[in-house]
Amino acid sequence: QQQVKQSPQSLIVQKGGISIINCAYENTAFDYFPWYQQFPGKGPALLIAIRPDVSEKKEGRFTISFNKSAKQFSLHIMDSQPGDSATYFCAASRNGGFKTIFGAGTRLFVKA
Amino acid sequence: DTGVSQNPRHKITKRGQNVTFRCDPISEHNRLYWYRQTLGQGPEFLTYFQNEAQLEKSRLLSDRFSAERPKGSFSTLEIQRTEQGDSAMYLCASSLLNENYGYTFGSGTRLTVV
Repeated sequence: QQQVKQSPQSLIVQKGGISIINCAYENTAFDYFPWYQQFPGKGPALLIAIRPDVSEKKEGRFTISFNKSAKQFSLHIMDSQPGDSATYFCAASRNGGFKTIFGAGTRLFVKA
Repeated sequence: DTGVSQNPRHKITKRGQNVTFRCDPISEHNRLYWYRQTLGQGPEFLTYFQNEAQLEKSRLLSDRFSAERPKGSFSTLEIQRTEQGDSAMYLCASSLLNENYGYTFGSGTRLTVV
């Protein structure tokens, strides 16, 4: 029940295309869903996050879509750029909780 | 404040040796976390401090692992009698107390046990 399942494991997208990464969770107590971006040799960096009371959140080229009934959420990267090539992690936690559960990650490569 | 700082960045040690890592969080962050990340996986929770109190430890944190956060400032993670399975990236993160603003991670300490 503590798992966050992420797909795909890896993704290759042309420059200017849309990158889509999907995640599913089981624990309905989760109420905070962040996405992290990690470059080689660096720690993960918070990219964007959503709470389940909204179905979509957009920040620049990054959009989270959230489906509470299906217990699924996804990250869309519009106009993907080579600089977006990194590993992306979805995650989930409970408000007031201290433990964040991470997905296994998606390695994104954007071809120039 | 330049973010979360971790030292050393890399550590190679022989099996059976003890190692200690240090984390300096963002100064106004009350919460401090240690995570472990192995190749191709997401970070896994190890332990959590609220100020100087260690409030939770994962089952992943065996008796060979100990963490401290004296005076609620920097934290140390010690691994005694290291094993090859301890080889991983050890990540420290910090956050504000009251709400889930998300973590600020350090760049991690990569441990290799040979």
